[in-house]
Amino acid sequence: EIVLTQSPATLSLSPGERATLSCRASQSVSSYLAWYQQKPGQAPRLLIYDASNRATGIPARFSGSGSETDFTLTISSLEPEDFAVYYCQQRSNWPITFGQGTRLEIK
Amino acid sequence: QLQLQESGPGLVKPSETLSLTCTVSGGSISSSSYYWGWVRQPPGKGLDWIGSIYYSGSTSYNPSLKSRVTISVDTSENHFSLRLSSVTAADTAVYYCARLMGIRGWFDPWGQGTLVTVSS
Repeated sequence: EIVLTQSPATLSLSPGERATLSCRASQSVSSYLAWYQQKPGQAPRLLIYDASNRATGIPARFSGSGSETDFTLTISSLEPEDFAVYYCQQRSNWPITFGQGTRLEIK
Repeated sequence: QLQLQESGPGLVKPSETLSLTCTVSGGSISSSSYYWGWVRQPPGKGLDWIGSIYYSGSTSYNPSLKSRVTISVDTSENHFSLRLSSVTAADTAVYYCARLMGIRGWFDPWGQGTLVTVSS
């Protein structure tokens, strides 16, 4: 099973700042990594698929990069609605696995 | 616009079987491009993939749950279902259904989720 480790666990930033979230895989997942945003009481929402492709309707301030074992989700300038929990997910190997999440909170 | 909606009991007794259905609207569950899956989230914790199914009935399960999980599909009703047997308190979670982009893909969109509590 591929383990995804997200860092930091919690990130405290202010609106307008740049956010950089990390996801590291225990073995190569090629570019088969997705990112999701989850707000309290809501289902996760797909942001990025296959490392760097924005899902439909996702603002351009969200971008993904990386390959093999190291991936980054960048939010270029935080909006108030971006404060949430973010998860990465790999689809390279069975079973499908998720990271433990990074909580992005308002500083 | 594709929508998914979970339904089923919110309370299940220990050792019994959890049963949930995901109804798909705004699109056909028989589309050749997609799979359909279940993900759960224990309170305050992260996401765990349970399993996935194709409209033909082909399934994939998480090995950690495989002995207790059955996922089925009913194309005439445009829904798919989850059964999890011999539940314990550790199975208490919000259960989500979602569409998968491919056999081992990413999840989009998701249902709103339903909380299932295992308690006597």
